[in-house]
Amino acid sequence: QEHLLESGGGVVQPGRSLRLSCGGSGFTFSSYAMHWVRQAPGKGLEWVAVISYDGSEKYYAGAVKGRFTISRDNPKNTLYLQMNSLRTEDTAMYYCARDRIYPPTKVPGIIAHWGQGTLVTVSS
Amino acid sequence: DIQMTQSPSSLSASVGDRVTITCRASQGIRNKLAWFQQKPGKAPKSLIYGASSLQSGVPSKFSGSGSGTDFTLTIGSLQPEDFATYYCQQYDSYPLTFGGGTKVEIK
Repeated sequence: QEHLLESGGGVVQPGRSLRLSCGGSGFTFSSYAMHWVRQAPGKGLEWVAVISYDGSEKYYAGAVKGRFTISRDNPKNTLYLQMNSLRTEDTAMYYCARDRIYPPTKVPGIIAHWGQGTLVTVSS
Repeated sequence: DIQMTQSPSSLSASVGDRVTITCRASQGIRNKLAWFQQKPGKAPKSLIYGASSLQSGVPSKFSGSGSGTDFTLTIGSLQPEDFATYYCQQYDSYPLTFGGGTKVEIK
């Protein structure tokens, strides 16, 4: 059974940093591009970032570019999101999600499976 | 960035009804369109990709159509477990963008 488990969320002050993790199991983690998607309380879904299966391609939403960094450790089956210079508007549930394999593109953008999310609250 | 607009933002329907939700892209996205279902307090679930292809395990009462800028999600014979919020998302180009969502409520 495929499973994604996020961790690392919590309450943090504006301007501080936080690192989220997402562990994958039940599938060949190193074969899939992975995404972070967030959802502010009571709001819709907002895509944050993607990383290709081998880490060679990364894309970011404009709202987080330059502040957030997506990375992965394939031997550990783990995806990360390093969040720096956090703002109150970054408060959200953060979901990691798996893409589909769709050669030849490395980052198809076809989100197929979601984790349960980890809540990040940025507040003084 | 490509803007995705869903309509209606909410609708009320009865069990057994057939429901159609519309999604419009601000520019042509070929068939690079996905649909998701989200129930309150839960993670989203992937339903459709490629405008009309069902993700694994998704029942055939869900169907999608469209190409270019205009797309629809149809739920045939609405059941209690289908009351949720539905989102469309384009993956023709980065950044990926979602529609604002359509909340399907019980009449």
